Amino acid sequence: ELKVEQNPLFLSMQEGKNYTIYCNYSTTSDRLYWYRQDPGKSLESLFVLLSNGAVKQEGRLMASLDTKARLSTLHITAAVHDLSATYFCAVVAGGTSYGKLTFGQGTILTVHP
Amino acid sequence: DVKVTQSSRYLVKRTGEKVFLECVQDMDHENMFWYRQDPGLGLRLIYFSYDVKMKEKGDIPEGYSVSREKKERFSLILESASTNQTSMYLCASRVDTSGNIQYFGAGTRLSVL
Repeated sequence: ELKVEQNPLFLSMQEGKNYTIYCNYSTTSDRLYWYRQDPGKSLESLFVLLSNGAVKQEGRLMASLDTKARLSTLHITAAVHDLSATYFCAVVAGGTSYGKLTFGQGTILTVHP
Repeated sequence: DVKVTQSSRYLVKRTGEKVFLECVQDMDHENMFWYRQDPGLGLRLIYFSYDVKMKEKGDIPEGYSVSREKKERFSLILESASTNQTSMYLCASRVDTSGNIQYFGAGTRLSVL
């Protein structure tokens, strides 16, 4: 059974600082996703990572994938208040018949002035 | 833009009631999903539909059923609501099983008293 674990689960950052959220998964994966959820809102797709070594960047967020280590990272550069949200990684296990997503617990990020 | 619409943002029901949660997508997607979201547990898949009248159980189907009579609409049914079904319910859709991104609705927060 595929397990997906994020850490930390809670992250309080000062504006301007850098930090990384980690996503570990337990079995071979075809695809990995990062989603963002603002309070009271739905999930918004941030990144799709499809192969080992994939790196994607959008603004102050950069996601990478190491399939050998079964690890993805979401790096935040020079955090700003607008990045405060809950971030989820989600993994598609290799060989599943319909691309089922298994989600991590979510990381609640709060950026303080 | 893909739009996934859930009929209610908030619902309050009594134990034992039959509850219907409705979801409609406007992009002719083949696949639709129902998740429940609980703090510290991330999103867990309840049911998945890969086409009209087709369904697959997810990780936590007990106490739930689904209906997909038309391509654009996917309903989640709680036959006899219980207090442990108090949660946030999220619907999602995807082009098909080869598609990458799931698009989420805004969610329905259900309270069972």
